[in-house]
Amino acid sequence: EVQLLESGGGLVQPGGSLRLSCAASGFTFSSYAMTWVRQAPGKGLEWVSSISGSGGSTYFADSVKGRFTISRDNSKNTLYLQMNSLRAEDTAVYYCAKEMYAAAGYYFDDWGQGTLVTVSS
Amino acid sequence: EIVMTQSPVTLSVSPGERATLSCRASQSASSNLAWYQQKPGQAPRLLIYGASTRATGIPARFSGSGSGTEFTLTISSLQSEDFAVYYCQQYNIWPQTFGGGTKVEIK
Repeated sequence: EVQLLESGGGLVQPGGSLRLSCAASGFTFSSYAMTWVRQAPGKGLEWVSSISGSGGSTYFADSVKGRFTISRDNSKNTLYLQMNSLRAEDTAVYYCAKEMYAAAGYYFDDWGQGTLVTVSS
Repeated sequence: EIVMTQSPVTLSVSPGERATLSCRASQSASSNLAWYQQKPGQAPRLLIYGASTRATGIPARFSGSGSGTEFTLTISSLQSEDFAVYYCQQYNIWPQTFGGGTKVEIK
């Protein structure tokens, strides 16, 4: 059974930093691209960032480019999201998800339970 | 990027009735479309990918159809556990984008 467990969320001041982690189990972690998707309170889903299975390729939404970094440690089966220069609009539940490649792109077949990031003074 | 528009925003349906949810893409998504279900306080769950293929363990009352710019999710006979928010997502053109969601509520 695939399990994804996020951690690291919390309250941070504007301009601050936070690192999220996602511990994966139940599948061959290094074989799959992984992604972070966020959901602001009462709002819809927004893709944030993705990383290839090897970690050699990374992708970011324009809204976080230059501020967030995605990485992974395949020896620890763990995905990370380093968030710097945080803004109030980054307040959201952050989900990690496992990507499945199909035809032209990726959909997300397994999701973690999410971790809440609140950016406020 | 492709803009995904879902309608209606809220759908009121009685248990046992059929629900039809729509998702429109601003440009062709081919058949590279997924549907997700999200219940309050829970993570999204994959229902459909490839516009019409049910994910593992998804009941047959959920069906997806469409291609190009028009897609439909149909729930043939709503059960109590189906009242939730549903999102479509295109993955034909990077970046993958989600629709704003349709809330299916009890009538």
